[in-house]
Amino acid sequence: GESVGLHLPTLSVQEGDNSIINCAYSNSASDYFIWYKQESGKGPQFIIDIRSNMDKRQGQRVTVLLNKTVKHLSLQIAATQPGDSAVYFCAENMGETSGSRLTFGEGTQLTVNP
Amino acid sequence: DAGITQSPRHKVTETGTPVTLRCHQTENHRYMYWYRQDPGHGLRLIHYSYGVKDTDKGEVSDGYSVSRSKTEDFLLTLESATSSQTSVYFCAISEADQPQHFGDGTRLSIL
Repeated sequence: GESVGLHLPTLSVQEGDNSIINCAYSNSASDYFIWYKQESGKGPQFIIDIRSNMDKRQGQRVTVLLNKTVKHLSLQIAATQPGDSAVYFCAENMGETSGSRLTFGEGTQLTVNP
Repeated sequence: DAGITQSPRHKVTETGTPVTLRCHQTENHRYMYWYRQDPGHGLRLIHYSYGVKDTDKGEVSDGYSVSRSKTEDFLLTLESATSSQTSVYFCAISEADQPQHFGDGTRLSIL
């Protein structure tokens, strides 16, 4: 399953499928990007990050892709599990001169159906 | 999580009263942040701190003030709470150019 931009806030997939969550960022000068997972009643939890000198970075079952030309990020989750159900946010870091501030996307609600 | 404690976790108060939320860290990180999270708006930065006594405004700072008198504590104050400040408030910490790590939030209701 795949979400399209920030205007489709929900994504529903079957357990075991791969999920793709997309995000567009605004500032072409941003050089550091982070994906967070937020479960109900909890704070955002760091998943994976990527710097602008990379196009792809892999973690455990997750991959982040960065396309600087079109200012687009995606988070791919392999073999999605019920425990992956959460809201996923992308964030761009505004740099140390701006206090390492983050600007967040609106989030995508991922629902994994058993 | 990540040595961050927010207090209180829940608070209900009345319009016009002062409210102070506390964020305490045990990680000795330089940067601390206060966000609010509302449906349809994601996380928005209120204020942040880049060192003891060094703070700056975020995108939604009106009606809020902060103080950081020591590395481990960052206080957020609503001088005169309004119903529009009903929200979930998150504190985060980081080192420069590193991921921010978040506390579990304070749910604030202003009646």
